[in-house]
Amino acid sequence: AQTVTQSQPEMSVQEAETVTLSCTYDTSESNYYLFWYKQPPSRQMILVIRQEAYKQQNATENRFSVNFQKAAKSFSLKISDSQLGDTAMYFCAFMKPMMYSGGGADGLTFGKGTHLIIQP
Amino acid sequence: DSGVTQTPKHLITATGQRVTLRCSPRSGDLSVYWYQQSLDQGLQFLIQYYNGEERAKGNILERFSAQQFPDLHSELNLSSLELGDSALYFCASSVGTSGRTQETQYFGPGTRLLVL
Repeated sequence: AQTVTQSQPEMSVQEAETVTLSCTYDTSESNYYLFWYKQPPSRQMILVIRQEAYKQQNATENRFSVNFQKAAKSFSLKISDSQLGDTAMYFCAFMKPMMYSGGGADGLTFGKGTHLIIQP
Repeated sequence: DSGVTQTPKHLITATGQRVTLRCSPRSGDLSVYWYQQSLDQGLQFLIQYYNGEERAKGNILERFSAQQFPDLHSELNLSSLELGDSALYFCASSVGTSGRTQETQYFGPGTRLLVL
């Protein structure tokens, strides 16, 4: 079974600063996906960024980027030029693809989350 | 808006009762996933359906069951409810295709269940 660990329960930074959220995971799989999801006070789960394990290049989405270290099983999220709207819970998640003929993927395994607060 | 819809948004019921949560996936998505988010357990994967068939089970209790219908909507049935079943229940959907394709799960707004 996979495990995902987020060691920072809460972080607080000033607006416009850069912040990095850490995530480590444990798996024996070689092929998998990693995700960061954001959950604002509305409780909606919003995809922030994804990374395929077979890709060496780190994923980026505008102000969001990841540092994926496969050997170290580390997947950190960097938020640049942080904004008040970035205040939310951030969840790191692991997913392995299924090998059924129909494909698809297994359920997500989530970390416990990091509560990020952006101060004005 | 993710395109995944869930009804109802809120549900209040009593212990011992049975409830049904409904989910409609994004247009074109064949896979549906159910998750439970509670203070005690965090976010937990419950069960997955792909094109009407059960594909994977997570930490789903025997009192809980689900199904996916021919029109691809899914229902999660929770019976003999206990106080500890109070949680936010999410449905997510993905394309669910073969091979090494990009599988991303998009979440609905959730159903908040309160058991009194």
